[in-house]
Amino acid sequence: QQQVKQSPQSLIVQKGGISIINCAYENTAFDYFPWYQQFPGKGPALLIAIRPDVSEKKEGRFTISFNKSAKQFSLHIMDSQPGDSATYFCAASGKDNFNKFYFGSGTKLNVKP
Amino acid sequence: KAGVTQTPRYLIKTRGQQVTLSCSPISGHRSVSWYQQTPGQGLQFLFEYFSETQRNKGNFPGRFSGRQFSNSRSEMNVSTLELGDSALYLCASSLAGLAGGEQYFGPGTRLTVT
Repeated sequence: QQQVKQSPQSLIVQKGGISIINCAYENTAFDYFPWYQQFPGKGPALLIAIRPDVSEKKEGRFTISFNKSAKQFSLHIMDSQPGDSATYFCAASGKDNFNKFYFGSGTKLNVKP
Repeated sequence: KAGVTQTPRYLIKTRGQQVTLSCSPISGHRSVSWYQQTPGQGLQFLFEYFSETQRNKGNFPGRFSGRQFSNSRSEMNVSTLELGDSALYLCASSLAGLAGGEQYFGPGTRLTVT
């Protein structure tokens, strides 16, 4: 059973546009939801994370929106740049998991100049 | 502060052999987790160590094992390699002993089994 479902699988956005990636989770015990950015040949880099006590968190051009009742969260990249072209992963973890993270399947973002 | 380091970065092994991968966490981090990343299965959790104890384990066969040393460095071992073990093996370290803390990944070890 896939604990975290991510969509879309791939995304093409024009420079300056908004990129939106969505994730849904099943386990209501999850209480930490990070997003990672991965470039080819590199390990995933922590981008931004949120806990369920807030509905939105913004860091620069990156925003997480969190809907606890729907068990969904999304990443918004404002003013998308070609340098943002990478694969993005959402993830989830809970108090009882001891840093066992469940990852979404990834979204390959291509920002066209 | 230095990031998570993994050695070696690339490895080619033959089916049936065994392999040991090494991970040095960020200084001060006591939790080390290992993940396997493949195009088909994505990122899958292998196991997590904290203070030399395995706290959590994913759904991988017993051929996959690990350990953590007193300086928090960790090793992962895969015995009797199979072609399907070809993957990027990622190590991640975390400061917090509690669950759900910020986790930082290393660059990975690319293992190819022929």
